[in-house]
Amino acid sequence: DSGVTQTPKHLITATGQRVTLRCSPRSGDLSVYWYQQSLDQGLQFLIQYYNGEERAKGNILERFSAQQFPDLHSELNLSSLELGDSALYFCASSTRASVDGEQYFGPGTRLTVT
Amino acid sequence: GENVEQHPSTLSVQEGDSAVIKCTYSDSASNYFPWYKQELGKGPQLIIDIRSNVGEKKDQRIAVTLNKTAKHFSLHITETQPEDSAVYFCAASMDSNYQLIWGAGTKLIIKP
Repeated sequence: DSGVTQTPKHLITATGQRVTLRCSPRSGDLSVYWYQQSLDQGLQFLIQYYNGEERAKGNILERFSAQQFPDLHSELNLSSLELGDSALYFCASSTRASVDGEQYFGPGTRLTVT
Repeated sequence: GENVEQHPSTLSVQEGDSAVIKCTYSDSASNYFPWYKQELGKGPQLIIDIRSNVGEKKDQRIAVTLNKTAKHFSLHITETQPEDSAVYFCAASMDSNYQLIWGAGTKLIIKP
């Protein structure tokens, strides 16, 4: 158990809808990363927050947004969903702002768009 | 920008044999190279990492080697066991880049 929690575990929704994925980092970790993993694909970095502020942006679509709250939990919002958004979404946390340290991954949220 | 290529995509080895997975990176400024293991149904987990000022690092049956001149780094697993079966990802980053650039992954299969 990495200490990172993600809810929900599974999500099934229809095209055009909007969903919110939630992540609680390990106690004491200030950085939260969001990744997308499509079937049999590698990890695509979406966005990173550090202590409430956006720190880095990857290949995140404009339909997607995220935030980190004062209690350090983070939410990833996906809107106008398309079939191609079906994937595993991972949250990871770390103590550092920089990426040269261990990232602790949650169990993921599996999103299915029908 | 930085690009990381990982080979092979699938590797099948007999239990007890060694496994080697290789990654190449494009930007010579990269200075941090982690390896993550992803078991079925779980998130990736860091197994070993290396920084550019070190050529090799070992942790029990796992080792990583870095060749800065050739811009490649490799994961070596000796005396493979069934629990080593997983997908392994390499990644690279540099100080000026705020994200890890990930390889596509290698599915390691340990045959009994």
